Amino acid sequence: ETGVTQSPTHLIKTRGQQVTLRCSSQSGHNTVSWYQQALGQGPQFIFQYYREEENGRGNFPPRFSGLQFPNYSSELNVNALELDDSALYLCASSLAKQGAEQYFGPGTRLTVT
Amino acid sequence: QKEVEQDPGPLSVPEGAIVSLNCTYSNSAFQYFMWYRQYSRKGPELLMYTYSSGNKEDGRFTAQVDKSSKYISLFIRDSQPSDSATYLCASLLSGGYNKLIFGAGTRLAVHP
Repeated sequence: ETGVTQSPTHLIKTRGQQVTLRCSSQSGHNTVSWYQQALGQGPQFIFQYYREEENGRGNFPPRFSGLQFPNYSSELNVNALELDDSALYLCASSLAKQGAEQYFGPGTRLTVT
Repeated sequence: QKEVEQDPGPLSVPEGAIVSLNCTYSNSAFQYFMWYRQYSRKGPELLMYTYSSGNKEDGRFTAQVDKSSKYISLFIRDSQPSDSATYLCASLLSGGYNKLIFGAGTRLAVHP
C-alpha cells in the first residue's frame, strides 16, 4: 500500500509569483484535503476535494485554488504569493469525504521572499 | 477563543516517565478527537482517535475524551527518546465534508 506523497519537497518563490503543489493520495482513497501549517502552529484547513469537486473550504482567499484528477491525485495552486504564504503545505487523504481517518503526506515547504 | 487549545510546551521528561498531553475544545458539535505525532520536518502521523467520550488504548498510548468538560488527553507510558516529537490534538467537524481543527501542538522531549 502506497502512502500519501507530495512534490516538490521544498520551494522558494518570490512575492507575486504563482505556485503549484502536487499530491498523490493513498491507494484506494478518493478524498484529498489540503492544510497550511505555519511555523509553530497546527495545520489549518484550506479545502477538500472529493470526486474531482471542491466540497468544503476554510478561511482562505480565492487565490488558493485546487484540482483533483480522476486518479484522485490533487494540486494546490496559489496565485499572487504573499510573504505570509510561507508555510508547510500538507495534503491528507481519506477513504471518503466523511472519513474520520485522514493520512498526511510529508508536506511541501514553501518559502516566499 | 480558538476552537482547540493546546499548551505548546516544550515538555521535557526523563526516559520511562509517564507523559500527559492535554487539549481543550469549545465546539460541542465535535464528535471525533484525534492525536497526531509530527517529527521535525515531517507530516503529521495519525496515532489514534476516539469517537465521543471514553478511553482508547493502543500499546503505550491511551487517549481519553471527557465531553462534559471538553477535555482531551493523551497519555504515554514508559516514554522513550523516540517519542520526542510534536503532538497535535485535533477535533473533527463533520458535515458534508470532514475538516480537522488542530491545536498548536505540544513539543515533547524525552531525554535518556
